[in-house]
Amino acid sequence: DGGITQSPKYLFRKEGQNVTLSCEQNLNHDAMYWYRQDPGQGLRLIYYSQIVNDFQKGDIAEGYSVSREKKESFPLTVTSAQKNPTAFYLCASRGPGNTEAFFGQGTRLTVV
Amino acid sequence: GESVGLHLPTLSVQEGDNSIINCAYSNSASDYFIWYKQESGKGPQFIIDIRSNMDKRQGQRVTVLLNKTVKHLSLQIAATQPGDSAVYFCAEAVTTDSWGKLQFGAGTQVVVTP
Repeated sequence: DGGITQSPKYLFRKEGQNVTLSCEQNLNHDAMYWYRQDPGQGLRLIYYSQIVNDFQKGDIAEGYSVSREKKESFPLTVTSAQKNPTAFYLCASRGPGNTEAFFGQGTRLTVV
Repeated sequence: GESVGLHLPTLSVQEGDNSIINCAYSNSASDYFIWYKQESGKGPQFIIDIRSNMDKRQGQRVTVLLNKTVKHLSLQIAATQPGDSAVYFCAEAVTTDSWGKLQFGAGTQVVVTP
């Protein structure tokens, strides 16, 4: 089935560690996005990518990094520079013609 | 900066009644709008979208209305059911922007009561 897959579903990180969240899509979409969601709040854009090997910072990029080496994959690294990383992270992709974004099921990251 | 926002953080609706969820946007260049539904612990799901050349669009039990004059978007859910309990987000985009990023509002929690 076509879709967008995030892994892992739950992730625990010790303070000072970097962690990488996976996002894979087989929808042949060019555009991919990472959002952060805190409890009771909306989605804030971290990074987005329109094409392979190119990406742009969103509204809250500090402490995060991404890569886009393949069309299907857009991993997000939460670095130790991110002071408050505990949140729900959502990845999305969009097809041509500026249509709706399809979301993965999210990764809940907790710092322990 | 410009943003998308919602009027009501929580909406309590009796089962069988109609729900109306409102959204205000401030970017006059936005020409594409989407409503998403998010259940607890899951990713948002697409409900319905509308482009700025339309005022109204209907789906199954849902209707989206767009008022460009006052920059207002609404989602109407007919005959609300318990399964409609979720957080609803509106999102906006500028389709002439090559990056086409979606900006989301804060969301409205809809609670359906028996």
